[in-house]
Amino acid sequence: NFMLTQPHSVSESPGKTVTISCTRSSGSIASNYVQWYQQRPGSAPTTVIYEDNQRPSGVPDRFSGSIDSSSNSASLTISGLKTEDEADYYCQSYDSSSPWVFGGGTKLTVL
Amino acid sequence: EVQLVESGGGLVKPGGSLRLSCAASGFTFSSYSMNWVRQAPGKGLEWVSSISSSSSYIYYADSVKGRFTISRDNAKNSLYLQMNSLRAEDTAVYYCARAPGYSSGWSDYWGQGTLVTVSS
Repeated sequence: NFMLTQPHSVSESPGKTVTISCTRSSGSIASNYVQWYQQRPGSAPTTVIYEDNQRPSGVPDRFSGSIDSSSNSASLTISGLKTEDEADYYCQSYDSSSPWVFGGGTKLTVL
Repeated sequence: EVQLVESGGGLVKPGGSLRLSCAASGFTFSSYSMNWVRQAPGKGLEWVSSISSSSSYIYYADSVKGRFTISRDNAKNSLYLQMNSLRAEDTAVYYCARAPGYSSGWSDYWGQGTLVTVSS
């Protein structure tokens, strides 16, 4: 089994760019796709990035995802921050012995 | 439009049982793997259980193995979670989540969740 580690919180100003990291504890980050979910207060999660860097229809191109094998981590980057982006963000991946593994979540504050 | 609507949550005493349901609509339910994911108050997401489209493959998190049973009725477009021997640490919002048709590794749609509270 592996774990995904995210920063507890990040903050940035409107209009700026923020990056949230997600580090895999064992096994290669590139061996299984990484997804990112957004959860606004009081709401269910929604998918903002799937398969490392794909955006579902309806998700603005301000959201992008990437992986870095050298640091064994994935990243979610949000550019042109808006107040509506304020939410909790979770990374998620899987492997043959762990169907779904979630990171601990990162609270994004847009101030 | 894809819709997932959970029901069956509520207050139950430790050691008790509860059965959650998830009614699906807007897609061919029998073609998709389904999952339950929970979120304890103020905490992160925790995967609970998965079931393949034909119920051939079923998986559980270690924390619920032997106590929870996932099932589905494709004729009724419904997903279920039978929860027995409930503990205080099972208190959470339980979400029903669909995996995309070509992969079981992530979710493309989530329900709004149903709250389960285990307390005496």
